[in-house]
Amino acid sequence: ETGVTQSPTHLIKTRGQQVTLRCSSQSGHNTVSWYQQALGQGPQFIFQYYREEENGRGNFPPRFSGLQFPNYSSELNVNALELDDSALYLCATKRGGQYTEAFFGQGTRLTVV
Amino acid sequence: AQKVTQAQTEISVVEKEDVTLDCVYETRDTTYYLFWYKQPPSGELVFLIRRNSFDEQNEISGRYSWNFQKSTSSFNFTITASQVVDSAVYFCALSEGSGGSNYKLTFGKGTLLTVNP
Repeated sequence: ETGVTQSPTHLIKTRGQQVTLRCSSQSGHNTVSWYQQALGQGPQFIFQYYREEENGRGNFPPRFSGLQFPNYSSELNVNALELDDSALYLCATKRGGQYTEAFFGQGTRLTVV
Repeated sequence: AQKVTQAQTEISVVEKEDVTLDCVYETRDTTYYLFWYKQPPSGELVFLIRRNSFDEQNEISGRYSWNFQKSTSSFNFTITASQVVDSAVYFCALSEGSGGSNYKLTFGKGTLLTVNP
């Protein structure tokens, strides 16, 4: 048990729709990162939030956006879904300000049809 | 740009065999961290080890051992006396910088390890 919970576990969306994925973590974990893992690939960094502000972004378009809340939960929002957005989405949380380990959730499997 | 290469896509062994998973990395930073994660079918990434670029000591943890060689930019992972429960996808990852609040991980494509009884 990592203490990181993602919801939903699975969902199916139609191309063009919008989706919100959620991540909740342990108290004190003020850094959250989101990753996209396509089938058979390694996770790809989407972005990171630290104390509710984005402080790092990978090579993903602006239709991928996020929020981090004071209660250590966070959201990943994807607008105008494309078929290639089908993937496992993982969040990882950690305490910022010192080099400690990140804990990953079990992921949300998104299928876009 | 940083890059992690895991040349072995799939490895299949029989229980009790030793197996080594290879990882080669590229980075321009002098300070960086290397990781290994295990991903069982449930999907969650399980942290196994972290090494910083200044510590080339090999590490052993039970049946697991890691060989870090900066001269060849490699960070290989060996499982001794493999067990069926070791079956999973294993990822090598790299994080540049001195850590702190920055935690962007660059992952390899992973190696699927199957341990047969």
